[in-house]
Amino acid sequence: GQQLNQSPQSMFIQEGEDVSMNCTSSSIFNTWLWYKQDPGEGPVLLIALYKAGELTSNGRLTAQFGITRKDSFLNISASIPSDVGIYFCAGLGPGANSKLTFGKGITLSVRP
Amino acid sequence: GAGVSQSPSNKVTEKGKDVELRCDPISGHTALYWYRQSLGQGLEFLIYFQGNSAPDKSGLPSDRFSAERTGGSVSTLTIQRTQQEDSAVYLCAAGGGSPAGGNTIYFGEGSWLTVV
Repeated sequence: GQQLNQSPQSMFIQEGEDVSMNCTSSSIFNTWLWYKQDPGEGPVLLIALYKAGELTSNGRLTAQFGITRKDSFLNISASIPSDVGIYFCAGLGPGANSKLTFGKGITLSVRP
Repeated sequence: GAGVSQSPSNKVTEKGKDVELRCDPISGHTALYWYRQSLGQGLEFLIYFQGNSAPDKSGLPSDRFSAERTGGSVSTLTIQRTQQEDSAVYLCAAGGGSPAGGNTIYFGEGSWLTVV
């Protein structure tokens, strides 16, 4: 089945730094979704990407849909303490009944 | 998020009892997923409903787990004869429509199940 690779499992950065997270797949996707999960909450959608090469921003967040359709990245600029959480990537493959596939998530810690 | 409601938000049950968890998406959400997440872990796929197609049940961990979706809207996840290892948060996600409209999936806040 389709698998998404997210690594490393954890990242530690200093407040104010930029951070980039990558998500790769062995198969192509038509949609890439990035979520953030705070403790005790459900994942919240950050950015949705629908077209190869698409670059989309949401405040300090920027995400891109890779040209090969097998990868996506999420950048967070000028990190702040509330950026702490688990970041999941997810993809939808071709086909009307394609099932959403998730990466294992990256836990981000931000040191004040 | 985006209108996906889950209930109960918290449930404590005795081992061996049955539980039902409910997911109420916005009308028109053709896709509906159930996931399980243990503390500090990733998302474990359980079951996927898409429109009128037969559900993908490939993630259900045992025959004690079942789910249905009535009228293409509300879904219920049932766990029979609960075990302590069933303790987790159960997340529902829904959304989608035609691919041309973008396949955006939104999560509910989850149902936290504790089996004692």
